[in-house]
Amino acid sequence: EDQVTQSPEALRLQEGESSSLNCSYTVSGLRGLFWYRQDPGKGPEFLFTLYSAGEEKEKERLKATLTKKESFLHITAPKPEDSATYLCAVQAMMTSGTYKYIFGTGTRLKVLA
Amino acid sequence: NAGVTQTPKFQVLKTGQSMTLQCAQDMNHNSMYWYRQDPGMGLRLIYYSASEGTTDKGEVPNGYNVSRLNKREFSLRLESAAPSQTSVYFCASSDWLGIVTEAFFGQGTRLTVV
Repeated sequence: EDQVTQSPEALRLQEGESSSLNCSYTVSGLRGLFWYRQDPGKGPEFLFTLYSAGEEKEKERLKATLTKKESFLHITAPKPEDSATYLCAVQAMMTSGTYKYIFGTGTRLKVLA
Repeated sequence: NAGVTQTPKFQVLKTGQSMTLQCAQDMNHNSMYWYRQDPGMGLRLIYYSASEGTTDKGEVPNGYNVSRLNKREFSLRLESAAPSQTSVYFCASSDWLGIVTEAFFGQGTRLTVV
């Protein structure tokens, strides 16, 4: 069964304290892995797409990496405005031949000033 | 540059009432989705439409119906609302274009059934 698991569920960091969020997945034929940011009361906002093991993407203080079993979202020297829930998703084929996105339950990040 | 627009943003229903959640996208995407988000459960797929004229069930379709009105619009209907349908509902759209592409989400509809 296709599945995405994120850890930790919640993370509190001091401003400037770097850390990593984990996303492990099992999916038949990975086509893409996505990271989203979600602020309270808002819809998920796209951050990165990773296609194959070994790939890395960066955006400001965020860097996403991918292996064959998991992905990491590294946050370097975070700021309070980085506080949000970070969602991981994979793309999986459905019986209809089209694709769906399977989401993890997210990591709630709080960065303290 | 609206992206995906959902209406309404908030709604309170009584058990047994019906309502339709509206979604429209202006990105010319072929595929559209309805998800619900509950604490600790993540985003779960209710229904999807791979292209105009087609709809299929996701993992939690019971109690819902959908209509793909045209390429832009995809609505979700609750025929007889139940308290278990209290949730935040998100509409999303994407397009394959031969490569993997991300889904774009609306701002959500927060539904409470009392």
